[in-house]
Amino acid sequence: DIQMTQSPSSLSASVGDRVTITCRASQDIGNYLNWYQQKPGKAPKLLIYAASRLQSGVPSRFSGIGSGTDFTLSISSLQPEDLAVYFCQQSYSTFSFGQGTRLEIK
Amino acid sequence: QVRLVESGGGVVQPGGSLRLSCAASGFSLNDYGMYWVRQAAGTGLEWVTVTSYDGSTSHYADSVKGRFAISRDKARNTLYLQMSGLRTEDAAVYYCARVQTYSTEGGDFYYMDVWGIGTTVAVSS
Repeated sequence: DIQMTQSPSSLSASVGDRVTITCRASQDIGNYLNWYQQKPGKAPKLLIYAASRLQSGVPSRFSGIGSGTDFTLSISSLQPEDLAVYFCQQSYSTFSFGQGTRLEIK
Repeated sequence: QVRLVESGGGVVQPGGSLRLSCAASGFSLNDYGMYWVRQAAGTGLEWVTVTSYDGSTSHYADSVKGRFAISRDKARNTLYLQMSGLRTEDAAVYYCARVQTYSTEGGDFYYMDVWGIGTTVAVSS
């Protein structure tokens, strides 16, 4: 099974900050990497697919990059509504998730 | 409007059974692979099972293999998750999710583009 490891597990940042979350796969998964945002009490929402493609309707401050085993989700200018847990997910072989990164607003 | 709505959750004793439903609207389940994903309280996401668009292929997480079964009713446009032999560790919010495909010359990329609201399963004596 492919293991996905995110870092950090949690972080706190201020409105307007640039935020970066990292996801590492236990083996080469090419670009088969998706990112989701889960706000409190809600279902996950797709942000990025195929490592770098922005889902329709998602603000352009979100971006993704990476291939192979190392991937990054960035938020260019943090907004209050970005308070959420962020998950990476590999789709190379079934769909396993990272453990999540909890993003708090200072 | 594309939508998924789960139902059927509740409280069940260890060893008991439950059937979850996922009603789709705005699209046909026949055209998409579908996942069940669960989330125990305060924890991350765990895929439970996936079925291909035509139902010919299904895969299960080791944690539920032999106890859970995924199926669909084409006429009702509804996905099901039959759960038996429930354990305390099966307690979670269960989501159904649609698998979307992004096709390129380099291959097909899969992702979950539509999620339901979730239904809660509690396992307790």
